[in-house]
Amino acid sequence: NAGVTQTPKFRVLKTGQSMTLLCAQDMNHEYMYWYRQDPGMGLRLIHYSVGEGTTAKGEVPDGYNVSRLKKQNFLLGLESAAPSQTSVYFCASSYSQGDREEDEQYFGPGTRLTVT
Amino acid sequence: AQSVTQLDSHVSVSEGTPVLLRCNYSSSYSPSLFWYVQHPNKGLQLLLKYTSAATLVKGINGFEAEFKKSETSFHLTKPSAHMSDAAEYFCVVSSSGNTPLVFGKGTRLSVIA
Repeated sequence: NAGVTQTPKFRVLKTGQSMTLLCAQDMNHEYMYWYRQDPGMGLRLIHYSVGEGTTAKGEVPDGYNVSRLKKQNFLLGLESAAPSQTSVYFCASSYSQGDREEDEQYFGPGTRLTVT
Repeated sequence: AQSVTQLDSHVSVSEGTPVLLRCNYSSSYSPSLFWYVQHPNKGLQLLLKYTSAATLVKGINGFEAEFKKSETSFHLTKPSAHMSDAAEYFCVVSSSGNTPLVFGKGTRLSVIA
């Protein structure tokens, strides 16, 4: 049981390049999330998904796209990377979204992205 | 709308002394409140959560937090700090079952030997 995994762990991009971050979970969770973490800003929600084939915008969605073609995977895409997207990206998943025991969000180890 | 304010960006304590990390929240509805911990270069781990049951919540590693509705606070405490407690701590709020979590900006806890 690997929990939540993220690929890659590190990446350096040049401005204008594109890339896709992959998040995978093996807990059969319905909900998945992408956050970015910047110094002094906490975690901010980029996009999330409440189930296979559905996505929704979070607090800071601009410049990112997501897809949830399979229940266990949640992809985050940057079509044209900008230096402002330099950040640490965390994926999380949960069975549902609420205040029950099974609603806890489990986090991946993060992807450190630098855009030059 | 919901929000959370962590009152200190950095707290430094000596090993063996009490820890207090302060958090105030704003929510239109009865909130669920969480504390997460992030050790250096790691992901986030849930410490504890309040979900309208007991107002004093006990978590892992000896941490606890008390929900005070009149003060809109959810401060995190531990009686005796350990070196391994050095980490970033996030207070998090969710107003209802269908809203995503909102994170505070974090408090970095340093523990001095």
